[in-house]
Amino acid sequence: NAGVTQTPKFRVLKTGQSMTLLCAQDMNHEYMYWYRQDPGMGLRLIHYSVGEGTTAKGEVPDGYNVSRLKKQNFLLGLESAAPSQTSVYFCASSYVVGLAGTIAKNIQYFGAGTRLSVL
Amino acid sequence: TQLLEQSPQFLSIQEGENLTVYCNSSSVFSSLQWYRQEPGEGPVLLVTVVTGGEVKKLKRLTFQFGDARKDSSLHITAAQPGDTGLYLCAGARGSSNTGKLIFGQGTTLQVKP
Repeated sequence: NAGVTQTPKFRVLKTGQSMTLLCAQDMNHEYMYWYRQDPGMGLRLIHYSVGEGTTAKGEVPDGYNVSRLKKQNFLLGLESAAPSQTSVYFCASSYVVGLAGTIAKNIQYFGAGTRLSVL
Repeated sequence: TQLLEQSPQFLSIQEGENLTVYCNSSSVFSSLQWYRQEPGEGPVLLVTVVTGGEVKKLKRLTFQFGDARKDSSLHITAAQPGDTGLYLCAGARGSSNTGKLIFGQGTTLQVKP
């Protein structure tokens, strides 16, 4: 019953360093998402993917890149970290949206988060 | 601009009190969800409402979707310390088939024993 697993759980970076956050899901979900959570701002969508090999920009994509080479994995990259990217990052996955009345729509399952500090 | 406005942002009450959290928007949503998040963990879905005027109950929690599908409320009866957490509403736009959700800012609830 792993669900959605994020690694690492914590990371401290210096400005300009790069890193990759890994998200893995074992529910065979088509859709995956990366969010950042900052105090008083809820969850903001960074990038998302509707299937293996596809990615799209969300609300706050600048400074981040993503890849979905395998259906179960969704990677979030920071090429040159900045202090403004200090945040808690959450990955989520969801199953394909079904017809209204047949399948509950847009239910997302979240990982436990990655707390990133950029100094 | 925040498409979904939650109020209040912070709430501190005594055990046994009732409370209501509101989630408002000027936009119509095809469905609306409520999540609860505990410190150090990701949000966990509580309920999904899809029909205007729909009311769903989950033990002491009552969720309502507005008739026009622009707003929602979460009412907790006789709050307990275990209800403490961050409550997030999230809406899905009907025209999108990407599964994307728009989240409110969240309401931090503290229930003191």
